[in-house]
Amino acid sequence: DSGVTQTPKHLITATGQRVTLRCSPRSGDLSVYWYQQSLDQGLQFLIQYYNGEERAKGNILERFSAQQFPDLHSELNLSSLELGDSALYFCASSVLLAAFLNEQFFGPGTRLTVL
Amino acid sequence: EDQVTQSPEALRLQEGESSSLNCSYTVSGLRGLFWYRQDPGKGPEFLFTLYSAGEEKEKERLKATLTKKESFLHITAPKPEDSATYLCAVQAGTALIFGKGTTLSVSS
Repeated sequence: DSGVTQTPKHLITATGQRVTLRCSPRSGDLSVYWYQQSLDQGLQFLIQYYNGEERAKGNILERFSAQQFPDLHSELNLSSLELGDSALYFCASSVLLAAFLNEQFFGPGTRLTVL
Repeated sequence: EDQVTQSPEALRLQEGESSSLNCSYTVSGLRGLFWYRQDPGKGPEFLFTLYSAGEEKEKERLKATLTKKESFLHITAPKPEDSATYLCAVQAGTALIFGKGTTLSVSS
């Protein structure tokens, strides 16, 4: 158990819908990262927050957005869902801002299926 | 463009048959190379961080090494419980770029 929690574990929805994925980082971790993992693309970095502020963006679509709240939990919002958005979404957390300075701890993931 | 390539995509070994996984990278100014293990349906689990060419780290049957262009994950006398996908990642900005992984299957 990494100490990172994600809810829900599974999510099935229809095209065009909007969903919210939730992540609680390990106690004391200020950095939260969101990743998308699909069979063909592998693990892709989406976005990073550090202590409530957005710090880095990766391959995140405009239909996707995220935020980190004062209690440090984070939410990833996915809207206008398409079939291709079906994937595993992981949240990771770390103590420091810079990824190279410390390991990231990954949550168990949310499996999103868009029908 | 920062890039990470892992080979082979899949590797089947017999228990006790040692081998190596490769991770080649192109990044402007390497600041850290990471190895993770991922079991099916679970999140990646941290294994090692390497920071400079020539550095080596070991953990049980695993040893990671780093050169200026690639990293190797050596698996000595693997057991079935070592079966997993092994991911390599490099730091880019404040986040990580992951390779697509090598899926290792060890049979008894």
